[in-house]
Amino acid sequence: ETGVTQSPTHLIKTRGQQVTLRCSSQSGHNTVSWYQQALGQGPQFIFQYYREEENGRGNFPPRFSGLQFPNYSSELNVNALELDDSALYLCASSFSAGGFNEQFFGPGTRLTVL
Amino acid sequence: DAKTTQPPSMDCAEGRAANLPCNHSTISGNEYVYWYRQIHSQGPQYIIHGLKNNETNEMASLIITEDRKSSTLILPHATLRDTAVYYCIVFYVGNQFYFGTGTSLTVIP
Repeated sequence: ETGVTQSPTHLIKTRGQQVTLRCSSQSGHNTVSWYQQALGQGPQFIFQYYREEENGRGNFPPRFSGLQFPNYSSELNVNALELDDSALYLCASSFSAGGFNEQFFGPGTRLTVL
Repeated sequence: DAKTTQPPSMDCAEGRAANLPCNHSTISGNEYVYWYRQIHSQGPQYIIHGLKNNETNEMASLIITEDRKSSTLILPHATLRDTAVYYCIVFYVGNQFYFGTGTSLTVIP
């Protein structure tokens, strides 16, 4: 059984650029959630995708967008990057959006915006 | 809106029990208490969850007070590998996971 994987591991961008982060969910999981974790803070919920549809969103602006594909992998896109977008971006997959929702986290993508 | 309060840091001697408290005084009747931990630079790892009753698994025990306004995560025999940030989360289906800032546990040799 393959766990949650994320790519790339590290990324450096400049302010105003766009970035796409990728996540492969654990086998059998149809739900993917994305989190942003700033240094010294806990993860902050960005949004969740369930069966290719957005299924909840945190307090993030529209320049944060996502996709989920038929194989349940997912992308996080961030447009017009700002310095404060520098963070660890975590992806978590779960068996379902309902019921017991143990989330399995990937190792994260470290984004640095200069 | 984390809905939980945890001490920012704690120390525990290796081999002793680590007791990590969490206050969730506004918890609703249908919200579960979840615990995750995050070892430096890794993704959070699920530990345990519960609703009303005390729970135990191979990693830890979870003690929830009768009024459900607080809980304690117990690591029975802490090892150096248990050094991590521990997050207490209240969660209900359809809502969001709010991690808060957690408790940084340091296990001392």
